[in-house]
Amino acid sequence: EVQLVESGGGLVQPGGSLRLSCAISGFTFRNYWMNWVRQAPGKGLEWVAIINEDESVKYYLDSVKGRFTISRDNAHNSLYLQMNSLRVEDTAVYYCAKDLPRSGWSNDFWGQGTLVTVSS
Amino acid sequence: QSALTQPPSASGSPGQSVTISCTGTSSDVGGYNYVSWYQQYPGKAPKLMIYEVSKRPSGVSDRFSGSKSGNTASLTVSGLQAEDEADYYCSSYVGSNNLLFGGGTKLTVL
Repeated sequence: EVQLVESGGGLVQPGGSLRLSCAISGFTFRNYWMNWVRQAPGKGLEWVAIINEDESVKYYLDSVKGRFTISRDNAHNSLYLQMNSLRVEDTAVYYCAKDLPRSGWSNDFWGQGTLVTVSS
Repeated sequence: QSALTQPPSASGSPGQSVTISCTGTSSDVGGYNYVSWYQQYPGKAPKLMIYEVSKRPSGVSDRFSGSKSGNTASLTVSGLQAEDEADYYCSSYVGSNNLLFGGGTKLTVL
């Protein structure tokens, strides 16, 4: 059974940092691109970042470039999102999601999400 | 880039068909056959229902179908059931290494 379990969310002040983790099981993690997608309270989905199998390719939403860093540890089946210089508008549930290969970045499996609240 | 445009709400009675639209531009929906649709229940993670415009992942009911014409993609739910009541989001790959989502459509089964 495929499982993605996010952790690391919480309350942080504007300008602060958080590191999100996503623990993966049920598929060969090292063979797949992975995404982070977020959803602000009561709002729609917003793609945040994507990473390829060996970390040689990373793309970001314009508004998080230079502040967020996506990374992975294939040996430990884990995906990460380092978030620095957090802003109030970064408040959202953050989902990690598995990419469906050659499908134009469709995501076929999602975690349950972790809530990040940026507030003073 | 702006989000793809979806109607905020749609509705239908059990057994009917409902179609939800997703309008973009020639740079996203119209430029690639990479439109996906997701179903999301309140407080739950999204679930992939359609990818590459019209393909269904294993396990997704064939009551769900997708299509595209020009810059507008559509999701049709046939034989509406109470369990189909949820939020639906479209997404499209954008050539500048970006992924855009629609604003979401709340589907109500009357």
